[in-house]
Formats: sequence, structure tokens, C-alpha cells
Amino acid sequence: DTAVSQTPKYLVTQMGNDKSIKCEQNLGHDTMYWYKQDSKKFLKIMFSYNNKELIINETVPNRFSPKSPDKAHLNLHINSLELGDSAVYFCASSQGLRGVGRGTQYFGPGTRLLVL
Amino acid sequence: AQTVTQSQPEMSVQEAETVTLSCTYDTSESDYYLFWYKQPPSRQMILVIRQEAYKQQNATENRFSVNFQKAAKSFSLKISDSQLGDAAMYFCAYRSANTGNQFYFGTGTSLTVIP
Repeated sequence: DTAVSQTPKYLVTQMGNDKSIKCEQNLGHDTMYWYKQDSKKFLKIMFSYNNKELIINETVPNRFSPKSPDKAHLNLHINSLELGDSAVYFCASSQGLRGVGRGTQYFGPGTRLLVL
Repeated sequence: AQTVTQSQPEMSVQEAETVTLSCTYDTSESDYYLFWYKQPPSRQMILVIRQEAYKQQNATENRFSVNFQKAAKSFSLKISDSQLGDAAMYFCAYRSANTGNQFYFGTGTSLTVIP
């Protein structure tokens, strides 16, 4: 049973295109995240939603737009893709700060985006 | 904002030996969580171990253990009996236990295991 899933796993596209990455978690968590990992492996937080509400919105080009239709899903749409958007994008989820496994973040398998 | 520092970009260890990866963090809070994540070449981020700051006892998970020094704000990961499958990037992370949902990650340590 996959806890945090992302689709697609690989995405190769041309500059200027628009693409979406989907994320779903079946852990019952209330918070979901998007991270970007560049070629140097540095993990950068992009967005976070808690119960469908945007709570973290880091300095990210407005070409990136997250959408959370419900607390189990967090999608990332990217407009007008640029070469510098090439990276691995990770979705993650976590539960609140109380209870078993509290506070722990679980990651999806990542989506490797290559912009040509 | 809290910062997490991993001062060793790369480390290597002989198979079956023990290696320690360093992590320090900066915070004014007293209650928080600390984590070590492993990222093998497959890129999957895997939780290795977690520590709750209010617990004095160091967390252990099989061959993985931590040395949590709260006063020094240090959280090192010890891998015993290193195996080839331990080769990966290791990230240290911090989360407040009281406020916010943000996790703060270090820049990672790349571990090579030498056969």
C-alpha cells in the first residue's frame, strides 16, 4: 500500500509548456507539502497545505500554483516551463503534533522533471 | 527561522565499520522533533530515525542510533556494521513541536560504503 504517491514519476517536456504533477496520500494526514530538489540535492520547501488551506508559500515564481481539492490531494501546476525548473519534485505529508508517529513527514517517490 | 547544519558534505566508511554523521541545529524552542532521512540513488526519501527533544534517551533503530545532545544542539547519526545498502544521501531535519508545520532540512551528507 503506497502511503504517498505521485504521478507521473518522470516528466520530459519542452520549454514553454504547462504541466501538472499529482500527489495523493492515504495516511489520513492533514498537512501536505511540495519540495523541489535541485541537482545539488538541496531540498527546498515550496508550498504546504493544512486541511486544504495554504500555510506555507515560499518565494517561488508565480508560474507554480498548488491546488488542494481535499486534504488527501495536493497537485502542482507549472506554467510556461523553463530550463531552470528541471529538478526532482517531492510531495510529502505529515500529521499534527500529537499522537502516534506525531510530527513525522512522509515523502512520495518524487517526480523527475526535465525541461528541454 | 531555525537552521540545520550538516558540516560533512561527503563521508566514507568501510563495509562492516561504524560511521557517524554530524548535524547541528539552531533553535530557541525547547520542544521539537529531529529526524534523519536517507535518500538512496532511487531518490526515495526514507525516514531512518526520529527523536523527540523532551526524551533524554537516544533513539535507536537496529543499526542506526543517534547521539542527541540537547544543550549543544547536536544530533548525530551513528551507523553500525555499515552495509553497501547504506550508501546514500542522509538529511537531518528539524520540526517544532509547538508551532507551524514547517520542516527544516540540512544540506545533506553523501555516504559512500567501501566494500
